[in-house]
Amino acid sequence: AQKVTQAQTEISVVEKEDVTLDCVYETRDTTYYLFWYKQPPSGELVFLIRRNSFDEQNEISGRYSWNFQKSTSSFNFTITASQVVDSAVYFCALSEALTGANNLFFGTGTRLTVIP
Amino acid sequence: GAGVSQSPSNKVTEKGKDVELRCDPISGHTALYWYRQRLGQGLEFLIYFQGNSAPDKSGLPSDRFSAERTGESVSTLTIQRTQQEDSAVYLCASSLGGPRAAYEQYFGPGTRLTVT
Repeated sequence: AQKVTQAQTEISVVEKEDVTLDCVYETRDTTYYLFWYKQPPSGELVFLIRRNSFDEQNEISGRYSWNFQKSTSSFNFTITASQVVDSAVYFCALSEALTGANNLFFGTGTRLTVIP
Repeated sequence: GAGVSQSPSNKVTEKGKDVELRCDPISGHTALYWYRQRLGQGLEFLIYFQGNSAPDKSGLPSDRFSAERTGESVSTLTIQRTQQEDSAVYLCASSLGGPRAAYEQYFGPGTRLTVT
């Protein structure tokens, strides 16, 4: 079964619009970690955020914010006032403590295009 | 400081040939990971090294794939008798810490492998 689902394959928004990227995960662990990575056209993955399963507090970093809800197994990512430089593929990922947190299970990614 | 580096950046090889891909992790990072990313897809975990522990090879797709790492330094991923389906970007990542720590992983730029 897919551990991380990013149902949105591609999203296009006009600059300055807000956009939310969805991420739904599946795990039997009570201790796990969730991540978001950005992959710009250059190809190199950039770490954005890590949250552990015991911290449901939402986080805001500049124009980025994350909404973690264990009740719906979701870890959604919102970009406020989008900019052209936000155009990239965004990956949500899960790491499970039970398996030793040895690797990340990635979703298939959401390609965001911000139109000027 | 220096990030994760990989070489070569691009490799074109004929079907049936062997290839070696190299990864230099961030200094001080004890954990090293290899992933494969097929065109338009998410990342597939291949193998994980942590210090001097036995590597987690659970993601290697076949016995044609192998990897080595000497201590906490360079790693090489070897693909023997390459097939066209091996064409992908091979990404290396490194992180601090060991099992169950789930530190964020820092990715290299990848090696784009094309098998003709």
